[in-house]
Amino acid sequence: AQTVTQSQPEMSVQEAETVTLSCTYDTSESDYYLFWYKQPPSRQMILVIRQEAYKQQNATENRFSVNFQKAAKSFSLKISDSQLGDAAMYFCAYRSDGGNQFYFGTGTSLTVIP
Amino acid sequence: AAGVIQSPRHLIKEKRETATLKCYPIPRHDTVYWYQQGPGQDPQFLISFYEKMQSDKGSIPDRFSAQQFSDYHSELNMSSLELGDSALYFCASSLYGSGSSTDTQYFGPGTRLTVL
Repeated sequence: AQTVTQSQPEMSVQEAETVTLSCTYDTSESDYYLFWYKQPPSRQMILVIRQEAYKQQNATENRFSVNFQKAAKSFSLKISDSQLGDAAMYFCAYRSDGGNQFYFGTGTSLTVIP
Repeated sequence: AAGVIQSPRHLIKEKRETATLKCYPIPRHDTVYWYQQGPGQDPQFLISFYEKMQSDKGSIPDRFSAQQFSDYHSELNMSSLELGDSALYFCASSLYGSGSSTDTQYFGPGTRLTVL
């Protein structure tokens, strides 16, 4: 089974600054998808960004971007110009091409300091 | 835009009782997934359905069963509830299409089950 590792249980960032959340994964597959989900205190799971493994270009969504290093099996999330509303638990997730289930990391709790 | 709907949002049951959780996917989505998230845990995959057929099975206890109906909504039935079943249960939906952006799972708000 695939494993997803988030080695930073907690992170903090000053408002308006930039923060990077780390994620590594283990797989023998060549085609797969990677996701970052945000879970605020409401516990809703909100999609932040997705990346297809066959795409070399890193995905970007407004202030959120990823650094996808396929050979290193690394998928970090960069949040620029951090806002108070970014405070949440962030989960990295893996899904194989043709598979159904997501494999989640254990999450990184992000605190934004005013 | 319409999102995944889950009901009820909160449910309190006694040990050994049964519970039924409902999930209404995003319109046109044909695949439904169930996840269980314990306190301080990451979501764990339970089971999924595509076009009303079970498509994948994860760590779902034998006491639980689920199905997807003709209108694509899904129900998770939980019997002989145990204290350890207390958790947040997420439903997610997607539109099947290998290699397309529509494979993304969109999560509902979750049902918080408390077993006393």
